[in-house]
Amino acid sequence: NAGVTQTPKFRILKIGQSMTLQCTQDMNHNYMYWYRQDPGMGLKLIYYSVGAGITDKGEVPNGYNVSRSTTEDFPLRLELAAPSQTSVYFCASSYRDYNEQFFGPGTRLTVL
Amino acid sequence: GQNIDQPTEMTATEGAIVQINCTYQTSGFNGLFWYQQHAGEAPTFLSYNVLDGLEEKGRFSSFLSRSKGYSYLLLKELQMKDSASYLCAVMDSNYQLIWGAGTKLIIKP
Repeated sequence: NAGVTQTPKFRILKIGQSMTLQCTQDMNHNYMYWYRQDPGMGLKLIYYSVGAGITDKGEVPNGYNVSRSTTEDFPLRLELAAPSQTSVYFCASSYRDYNEQFFGPGTRLTVL
Repeated sequence: GQNIDQPTEMTATEGAIVQINCTYQTSGFNGLFWYQQHAGEAPTFLSYNVLDGLEEKGRFSSFLSRSKGYSYLLLKELQMKDSASYLCAVMDSNYQLIWGAGTKLIIKP
């Protein structure tokens, strides 16, 4: 099992550009999450999904969008990138909401 | 509001014992998690407590007191590879994780 995979590992965007961060899991987990991690701060939940076709906002959803067309994939879309979106983005998955979460390796995004 | 507090940084000696504390105030409680995160890597799961008391797993133990809103992670027989950040996270009434900023643990030989 590859677990949770994310692409790309690194990306530099210009202000106003858009991009999609990819996330795939092969553990047949129902729950998937997107977090951002900024220096000196705890992980912040952006969006989550409890199953294919179902997504919901987390604590910091502004400027982002998600979709969940399959159990395996949960891409995160950034529209009109802003410097405030410079961060490390982690995708995670879990079997149930109260289970441990498994994290992907992260995407380091810089917006200049 | 919801708040998780843990020390920013701690230093310990190889072979020693260290205790990392976490206090929390959240809307509801459905368990407390500890994760380890090495620099530049993803968090990995260490422990889960939902009932009061001590859970032991090898060199790592985690304690919870729900009435005090308090947990600690105890690391014994410290090794250099234990140098990492330790993240405390509480699952709130909506089953969402509220994360602390993490404690950076530095191990000295």
